[in-house]
Amino acid sequence: AQSVTQLGSHVSVSEGALVLLRCNYSSSVPPYLFWYVQYPNQGLQLLLKYTTGATLVKGINGFEAEFKKSETSFHLTKPSAHMSDAAEYFCAVTDRGNMLTFGGGTRLMVKP
Amino acid sequence: EPEVTQTPSHQVTQMGQEVILRCVPISNHLYFYWYRQILGQKVEFLVSFYNNEISEKSEIFDDQFSVERPDGSNFTLKIRSTKLEDSAMYFCASSDRGLSTETQYFGPGTRLLVL
Repeated sequence: AQSVTQLGSHVSVSEGALVLLRCNYSSSVPPYLFWYVQYPNQGLQLLLKYTTGATLVKGINGFEAEFKKSETSFHLTKPSAHMSDAAEYFCAVTDRGNMLTFGGGTRLMVKP
Repeated sequence: EPEVTQTPSHQVTQMGQEVILRCVPISNHLYFYWYRQILGQKVEFLVSFYNNEISEKSEIFDDQFSVERPDGSNFTLKIRSTKLEDSAMYFCASSDRGLSTETQYFGPGTRLLVL
């Protein structure tokens, strides 16, 4: 069975600092990996996804993530945090069905 | 930009009552999903639906739950006799195709509180 672990339920960074949100997965087959963001009172919005091909994936709002098979990781990064990045971020995995399995989420706080 | 909508945004009900949560998926999408998130826990898959049939369901989706596409636009989740542990945020999602690589578009959720 597939599973996702997000290390750190809360991450706090200063505006302009690097954002690093960690995601590790387990899957019995090569996975498809997703990062979603949830702003207050809104639905989950796709930031980026990895399916096949290039392991460094670029998404919206300057975010990117790198699929590292050897580390079973798909960490999300952004070089410079902005106040508007404050939200909850969810990593998710699916294999051959269309059921998304989510991590526990990481709440990102950005300090001025 | 098209979006998934859900109603109501909040619902309070008494234990044992039936509730129906409503969703309007993106209009040209064919695959529909329900997920839930109990407070402090992970978002969990409940069910996927295509062509008027359930295509996948989780262990959570027992006989108390049912889904329906009553018309060309709505997709509903019914809980027949609510329990305290059904209190959660329920998310509807839709996708154009049912591929594992396909992006699922989520609604803002319905927060259900069972008293």
